[in-house]
Parts: sequence; C-alpha cells; structure tokens
Amino acid sequence: DAGVIQSPRHEVTEMGQEVTLRCKPISGHNSLFWYRQTMMRGLELLIYFNNNVPIDDSGMPEDRFSAKMPNASFSTLKIQPSEPRDSAVYFCASDSGRAGSNTGELFFGEGSRLTVL
Amino acid sequence: AQSVTQPDIHITVSEGASLELRCNYSYGATPYLFWYVQSPGQGLQLLLKYFSGDTLVQGIKGFEAEFKRSQSSFNLRKPSVHWSDAAEYFCAVDAPEYGNKLVFGAGTILRVKS
Repeated sequence: DAGVIQSPRHEVTEMGQEVTLRCKPISGHNSLFWYRQTMMRGLELLIYFNNNVPIDDSGMPEDRFSAKMPNASFSTLKIQPSEPRDSAVYFCASDSGRAGSNTGELFFGEGSRLTVL
Repeated sequence: AQSVTQPDIHITVSEGASLELRCNYSYGATPYLFWYVQSPGQGLQLLLKYFSGDTLVQGIKGFEAEFKRSQSSFNLRKPSVHWSDAAEYFCAVDAPEYGNKLVFGAGTILRVKS
C-alpha cells in the first residue's frame, strides 16, 4: 500500500494568496484527519471526516480555513487568504476504524510544509 | 479539561542506555493511550497502544509502555537505546466520550549520544 499521500510537500507563497493542500488517504480507511504542527502549538487537530462527512471542525482556526472530502480517496484543506501565521507543517492522517469507532491508529502522510511570506 | 502532559521537552541518553519518557493524562475515565514517534521530516508512526487488559504493552522497535491508573501515567521505555531512536516522541490519548479524537502531548525530543 502506498500510504497516505500528501501534496505539495513544500509550498512557499505570499500573504493573501490562496493555498490548497491535498491528501489521498489509505484505500479502505473510513476516517481522515487534518493536523497542523508548529513549534509553538505542537500538533493541533483541525478537522476530521468519517465516511466523507465532516464530524468535528472545532479546531479550524477561522473562516479562512476550509476542508472538503468529495469522495473516499481525496481531501483538500484550503486557506484563503493565507497569512504568515499560517506557516506550519500540515499533516493528513487516516484511520481504518468504522463510523464512530476509530481505532486510534492513525497513518500519517509526510506532511506539507507551508511558508507564507 | 482533558489534557496530555509530557513533562520533558528534551532528553539526551547515551547509546545503549535505558530510556523512559514520561506521559501523564487528565481524563475522567481510562482513555485509550498511544505513543507515536516522528523522525525529522516525516509524519508520525504508531509505536504502541493500550486499550485494556495487560497494563504493560509491547510495541515496535523494542519499545514498551506501562499504564498506571493510580498515577494517570503511560510511560514509554526501552532497555537499550540505539542511535536510530533519535526522534520526537508523542504521547496521545483518545477518550471516546470526547468524540474519538486523538489529543497529542507536546512531544519529547530524544537525542542519543555515542
């Protein structure tokens, strides 16, 4: 299995630009998670989906952030407009658990390192 | 509020020495407990997990962890550290009554000196 695939691995953009991060979860996994990692705040859960439906988006920092999962094999995290404080590594992870019963064994992608100038 | 505490930000051990990384949690009931490892530039990888039963759990790469209910702790151990163990280690907690979300500690960076 190819594992969780994220793109791009690195993104450098200017403040005010739109950023779209992409994730392909492991085939057959029912839950997908977006995390943000910074030195100051550590790992923060932004949003998670189960069977393509957003279950909890309480970690999304503000309206500039949005996430979609149009099908079981693809998700996007969009930031519009981006700001320097959004600079971080964004991880996507998937879990093989069934609805309402995640296993807790997350499989992480290698992350997308975002730098907003 | 629920929380996961890893009191040590950095730990340095000599290669071949034993290792213990501390983790304490604050939850109303016994949650599910995990340890993950992150190598530089990589995503996190599960080392081991505790759901119930035997309080000493074995994981990959020779790691083990012990759940102590009385201390609300889930410390990670390894009897003999290898240079390749240098990484950042995260304790995580999942309490189903809080929505099946993993909450991660701040992490402990392990340095191994030869």
